[in-house]
Amino acid sequence: EVQLVESGGGLVQPGRSLRLSCAASGFPFEDYYMSWFRQAPGKGLEWVGFIRSNAYGETTEFAASVKGRFIISRDDSKSILYLQMNSLKTEDTAIYYCVRDSKDTSIIPRPFDYWGQGTLVSVSS
Amino acid sequence: DIQMTQFPSSLSASVGDRVTMTCRASQDIRDELGWFQQIPGKAPKRLVYSASTLQSGVPSRFSGSGSGTEFTLTISSLQPEDFATYYCLQHNSVPYTVGQGTKLEMK
Repeated sequence: EVQLVESGGGLVQPGRSLRLSCAASGFPFEDYYMSWFRQAPGKGLEWVGFIRSNAYGETTEFAASVKGRFIISRDDSKSILYLQMNSLKTEDTAIYYCVRDSKDTSIIPRPFDYWGQGTLVSVSS
Repeated sequence: DIQMTQFPSSLSASVGDRVTMTCRASQDIRDELGWFQQIPGKAPKRLVYSASTLQSGVPSRFSGSGSGTEFTLTISSLQPEDFATYYCLQHNSVPYTVGQGTKLEMK
């Protein structure tokens, strides 16, 4: 059974940093791209960024709203995905979801089939 | 960036009704679109991928169609558990973008 379990959320002051983790199980984590999404209170979904698999250099892509402030990394030996959030702003307040993206060798991508339960990040002074 | 325009933003309907919601992409995204259902307090759940392929385990009353720039999600006969918010999401190009959502409410 595929499981994605986020942790690390909490209350943080503007300008500070926070690191989220996502523990994955039930599938070959190292073979998949992984994404982060977020949802501000009462708002819609927003894609934050993704990381490619090791076979594709673990390169990353980000939404403009977080580019240069957020970093995504992965530890395939532990099947853990990370989101390092720096220079946090009040508008980063949201539930953050870890999401399985596409298998790296997929000719036809079929991403976002599994989502974690989310972890709440509140940025406030 | 590809803009996803989803409408209507809200929809009032009754059990047994047939409902349709639409997403329009600002440029051709082929069939690289999914539909997601979100119940308050829960994570989104994928219903449809590749624009028209039903996720395993999703009831057949749900169907997706379209390609290019126009996509629809149809629920053929609403059930009580279908009252939720629905989102379309394109993954044709980065940044991935999401429609504004359609909130399906009970009439």
